[in-house]
Amino acid sequence: ETGVTQTPRHLVMGMTNKKSLKCEQHLGHNAMYWYKQSAKKPLELMFVYSLEERVENNSVPSRFSPECPNSSHLFLHLHTLQPEDSALYLCASSQDPRGAGLNEQFFGPGTRLTVL
Amino acid sequence: LAKTTQPISMDSYEGQEVNITCSHNNIATNDYITWYQQFPSQGPRFIIQGYKTKVTNEVASLFIPADRKSSTLSLPRVSLSDTAVYYCLVFGGSNYQLIWGAGTKLIIKP
Repeated sequence: ETGVTQTPRHLVMGMTNKKSLKCEQHLGHNAMYWYKQSAKKPLELMFVYSLEERVENNSVPSRFSPECPNSSHLFLHLHTLQPEDSALYLCASSQDPRGAGLNEQFFGPGTRLTVL
Repeated sequence: LAKTTQPISMDSYEGQEVNITCSHNNIATNDYITWYQQFPSQGPRFIIQGYKTKVTNEVASLFIPADRKSSTLSLPRVSLSDTAVYYCLVFGGSNYQLIWGAGTKLIIKP
């Protein structure tokens, strides 16, 4: 029971489709993260939101578009993806760690995305 | 930016102590070191975090030498259920530069 849920758990889409991934946290945190996890690669931080404001964007292609309407919800909108975008997409939340040091992130189970 | 390096895989046996070392030569003054555990089809789970010397909790210990260029996660008396991938993360507390290691796949044998 991580307190972070993600939907859908699995998604198959064509390169011309538009889809969205959803993340919800029930932990009262004020920071949320999107990660990409590909086989045999380190976790790649994509986006960070703190207090609903995007504070980090690690040069992610524009075909990925995040949205954070409130501190409990995070979306990742997908359009015109490429087959190399197939991966596990993980959402995480934490208290805003800046200045505090502690960065205990709570992860959701991930969405397994396959782009055909 | 700090870069982390970990062994790709390790094997051990039930009841043994396992030590996994992470190198982070370019760690900055404000960076903390955190370790996570990940099982298949799940997100990573926080294990322990430290800044220097030794930190211990109910599941692990973290040893950080004075120069902080490496850290060692110590798992006492492992069991089969400790088979997982273990990630080292260096985090700068003043920004969001989260540098994850590639992970160490730990296999515990009976």
